[in-house]
Amino acid sequence: KQEVTQIPAALSVPEGENLVLNCSFTDSAIYNLQWFRQDPGKGLTSLLLIQSSQREQTSGRLNASLDKSSGRSTLYIAASQPGDSATYLCASGEYGNKLVFGAGTILRVKS
Amino acid sequence: EPEVTQTPSHQVTQMGQEVILRCVPISNHLYFYWYRQILGQKVEFLVSFYNNEISEKSEIFDDQFSVERPDGSNFTLKIRSTKLEDSAMYFCASSALTGGETQYFGPGTRLLVL
Repeated sequence: KQEVTQIPAALSVPEGENLVLNCSFTDSAIYNLQWFRQDPGKGLTSLLLIQSSQREQTSGRLNASLDKSSGRSTLYIAASQPGDSATYLCASGEYGNKLVFGAGTILRVKS
Repeated sequence: EPEVTQTPSHQVTQMGQEVILRCVPISNHLYFYWYRQILGQKVEFLVSFYNNEISEKSEIFDDQFSVERPDGSNFTLKIRSTKLEDSAMYFCASSALTGGETQYFGPGTRLLVL
C-alpha cells in the first residue's frame, strides 16, 4: 500500500527566500506525481504534474523534480512571497487514476 | 478558465439521513473522482468513474456510497445513511481524455453529520 510522506510538516520563512519542500513515497510504481496548493477551507489547486517518465516540470517560480528510483519528489519555490503561504500537498498517481496524498507542508512566508 | 463546481458548499444533516453531493466536472473531461478530507487528516480517494461505471474504489467506499452521472453535466455522490464519521470535506475532481492527466478539483462540500 502506497504511503506518501511530506517533510517538513510546517515551514516559516522570510519573504524572498528560496525553499524546498520534500515528498517521499514507498512504492515507486507510480504513474505520475502531482503537487497541489490548498488554502484554508478551500479546494485543491493543481500546481505541477510530473509524469513517471519525466524528471522535472517548471511553472513560473515553481520547479518540481521526480526521482522514482529513490521514491522522492521536491518542490522548489524561488523568491517566496507572502501570497505563497498555503498548505502544499503532493500526491502519487496510482493504478485506477487514484491519487494518494501526503499530509502536506504548511508554508508561511513572512513579509 | 474552466473549473469544477460543487453544490452545496456546506451541508448539515442528521445521522441516518441520505445526502447527495453534486458536482459539475469540466465539460470535456471524461474521468471523474470523489475524495474526502476529514478535518486535520489527509485527503483520501473514494472512487473514480469513467464511461458510466466505477473504475476504482477504496475501502471507504462501501455499500452506503454510490455515484451517478444522471445527465451530461452532473456527477453525484450519494451517502445513503450518514454516520457521524462521514463528516468531512468532500472534493470532486475531473481529468481529461486519458488517465494519468492532471486532476482538477472543485472547491468542496463541507458535510457535517449531527
